[in-house]
Order: sequence, then structure tokens, then C-alpha cells
Amino acid sequence: AQSVSQHNHHVILSEAASLELGCNYSYGGTVNLFWYVQYPGQHLQLLLKYFSGDPLVKGIKGFEAEFIKSKFSFNLRKPSVQWSDTAEYFCAVSPMEYGNKLVFGAGTILRVKS
Amino acid sequence: KAGVTQTPRYLIKTRGQQVTLSCSPISGHRSVSWYQQTPGQGLQFLFEYFSETQRNKGNFPGRFSGRQFSNSRSEMNVSTLELGDSALYLCASSLGGDRNEKLFFGSGTQLSVL
Repeated sequence: AQSVSQHNHHVILSEAASLELGCNYSYGGTVNLFWYVQYPGQHLQLLLKYFSGDPLVKGIKGFEAEFIKSKFSFNLRKPSVQWSDTAEYFCAVSPMEYGNKLVFGAGTILRVKS
Repeated sequence: KAGVTQTPRYLIKTRGQQVTLSCSPISGHRSVSWYQQTPGQGLQFLFEYFSETQRNKGNFPGRFSGRQFSNSRSEMNVSTLELGDSALYLCASSLGGDRNEKLFFGSGTQLSVL
């Protein structure tokens, strides 16, 4: 079945540690790729997105993600996390044939210890 | 600028009843999408409305329906409620519903079916 997989459901890091959250998808055609974040008590908001061009995209709050087409991956990275990065992170894919429908991964809960 | 507003925030219903949820998009946004979020299934696309027409639909039974009014406000209706319909229902709006656009999410309506 076509899907989006996020490798870890829970991640715990200390402040200043580096972060990498994995995301793989199974659609073979053209896709748009997104990372959304949900901070405690807040609504989902866009972190970054990829449509075309440079496969390394930069988002808000120092996050970046790299699209590797051959691996069907769109991993999220941050060199040094802060306590305020504690949140749930969702990878989402929009296959061209689906219009603007987003297919979300299950989410990764990140807890940053101060 | 006000964000996406969803009402009510919480709902408790019993099996067999029907429920209507409301979503007011950001002013000027013409596309409204609905998602169901559950711990087991994550975020799943229900449908999208643009200019009062359903433009995209997910894989949910016909008990789930929606509509959009001329002011872009949208309602979602679930008839003959089942226990498995307990979920957080999220509404998201965007300007024109293009797949490249950022979605702005509301805080959701938490539905509990007893």
C-alpha cells in the first residue's frame, strides 16, 4: 500500500544534541514533501516543504530536510536541538495524482531534556 | 489575521447519533480540507472543498459528509456515529487549494463517541 513511514515514534535527546528524523514514502511519481510540527497545546504548523530544485531545503527555527529521490526519503535534521523543540513532528507527502491531499506519517514525538 | 477556527472544541455523543462540526477558514482562503486524527491511524484525509464544491475525497464511508458555504466556511457531518469515530477532527485552509500551498490548521474538534 502507498504510505509514509516515520522511523521512530519517540525520540529523547539532550539539549545541543543533533537531530535526524527519518521519513520514507512509497509513491513512485512526482511528489511534494512537507514536515509539519505540533508544539504542546498548539495546532499543526508547517516547518518546511520541498517541491522542486535544490533537494536540501531550509525551514523555520534552524530545521532543514534533504530529499533523496533514489531512496524515497525526506529526512529532517537540526544540528543542535533546544528544549523548545519538544513537539510532535509529522512528515507528509502530496502525490501529484492526489491533488492537494496530504498523506501523513504516524508522527515522531521528540522530547528534548534541558 | 485570525487563524482557522473550529467549533465546538469538544463533543460527546452516543452511538447512532449524528454530529456536525464547523470550520471557519482564514479570511480570503477558499479551500478547506478535513482530516481525522487518531492514535492508531494518525492523520487521514477526509475531503476538501473549494468554492462550495467537493474537489477531493479520502477513503471514508458515506456516513462522513461535508459542505462549504459561499463565505468559505465549512461543515462536516457524521451520521450514525460508531465508537471508532472517536477522534480529533482537524480542519485546514489554504488560499486556492493548490498542492504547493501551505495548509493552516485549526485546533480541532475532539469527538468522543460513547
